[in-house]
Amino acid sequence: GNSVTQMEGPVTLSEEAFLTINCTYTATGYPSLFWYVQYPGEGLQLLLKATKADDKGSNKGFEATYRKETTSFHLEKGSVQVSDSAVYFCARGGAQKLVFGQGTRLTINP
Amino acid sequence: GAVVSQHPSWVICKSGTSVKIECRSLDFQATTMFWYRQFPKQSLMLMATSNEGSKATYEQGVEKDKFLINHASLTLSTLTVTSAHPEDSSFYICSARDWDSYNEQFFGPGTRLTVL
Repeated sequence: GNSVTQMEGPVTLSEEAFLTINCTYTATGYPSLFWYVQYPGEGLQLLLKATKADDKGSNKGFEATYRKETTSFHLEKGSVQVSDSAVYFCARGGAQKLVFGQGTRLTINP
Repeated sequence: GAVVSQHPSWVICKSGTSVKIECRSLDFQATTMFWYRQFPKQSLMLMATSNEGSKATYEQGVEKDKFLINHASLTLSTLTVTSAHPEDSSFYICSARDWDSYNEQFFGPGTRLTVL
């Protein structure tokens, strides 16, 4: 089937720590892949995306690389800040619809 | 660019009343709009997909007579929750895409509905 599996949260880190949130997908073909971020009480904002294998999406210090061989799109950031506290959703696109992972709640402590 | 707005941002209503939520694409023409529902601390659940000028396509398990969707123009879609009940209380989020956005959807800020 077509699904997205994310690392379960919640994740709590100290400021300036290294962040990885794992995401794997199943799909036929090569869908576009996305990371969205949701701050408390708000809708989703696109964080980054990749449209083909080996593409690297990056934004605000976050990066994710489209790995076809491992069907993964892990989100990384070298040094997190308190303001990065939010819920992060991995998603895959295809046939009009987006399929979302379950979301990972990230809390960064000062 | 690619801004999507929703109105209202929050609404409280009595059980049995109907509530309309608007979703607008402000700077692009949205050929397709999507309506999602999000329960606390959970992921988004796609409710329906609407294409301008045609009937919405509802996901399995979503009552189309309960959640009326109208996409009358390329910049506006509305979701009407009819005869709302407390279990309809949720965060409703819309998104929109234009014809060349390569599967990318632009999301509205969401509407929090509370039914008393």
